[in-house]
Amino acid sequence: RKEVEQDPGPFNVPEGATVAFNCTYSNSASQSFFWYRQDCRKEPKLLMSVYSSGNEDGRFTAQLNRASQYISLLIRDSKLSDSATYLCAVFSGLDSSYKLIFGSGTRLLVRP
Amino acid sequence: DTAVSQTPKYLVTQMGNDKSIKCEQNLGHDTMYWYKQDSKKFLKIMFSYNNKELIINETVPNRFSPKSPDKAHLNLHINSLELGDSAVYFCASSQDGRGVSYEQYFGPGTRLTVT
Repeated sequence: RKEVEQDPGPFNVPEGATVAFNCTYSNSASQSFFWYRQDCRKEPKLLMSVYSSGNEDGRFTAQLNRASQYISLLIRDSKLSDSATYLCAVFSGLDSSYKLIFGSGTRLLVRP
Repeated sequence: DTAVSQTPKYLVTQMGNDKSIKCEQNLGHDTMYWYKQDSKKFLKIMFSYNNKELIINETVPNRFSPKSPDKAHLNLHINSLELGDSAVYFCASSQDGRGVSYEQYFGPGTRLTVT
């Protein structure tokens, strides 16, 4: 089982739709969680950190469910510019070998 | 101002050659990383340095050797390049990476093609 798993998609949605992605992780001792956005042939860019209480940034809402070991990203009122690959990342490890482990990404296509 | 920069952006070379990729960050961060993203878009950490000290060394062939002359620079040297080394290599940095999680910021990537 992969340490961090995501549905690769693609999710093909019309403008204005609400779309949600989930990401599961296997290490229950994982400490921190993030969502990154990666455009084609570009670097990953931090979208938001995910806090235990959930957090919102404009049209984006991130949630963490430690009991079920998943994080989610909800995008409301999708824009064409939201089309990208969304990577979840989980910070976990032992002693000094903590590292950020990425999922393989979920591709989102927003159509007019 | 570019926060994390890498050179070169593209690198095309033949099997067996030796090449280097350079990375610099002007964020004042203590920790820098090298990641490899393969053709399936899977992004995986290779190395991490904190203040010039190696703290993460994943299972990477020893043909790959990172070097950190100071905490703002982390270079990656690759010997005897193989076809399977073709990928995009990303440098990243964060405030600290030793058992504490801070957001990581990525450079634009170096697209390496080995022919």
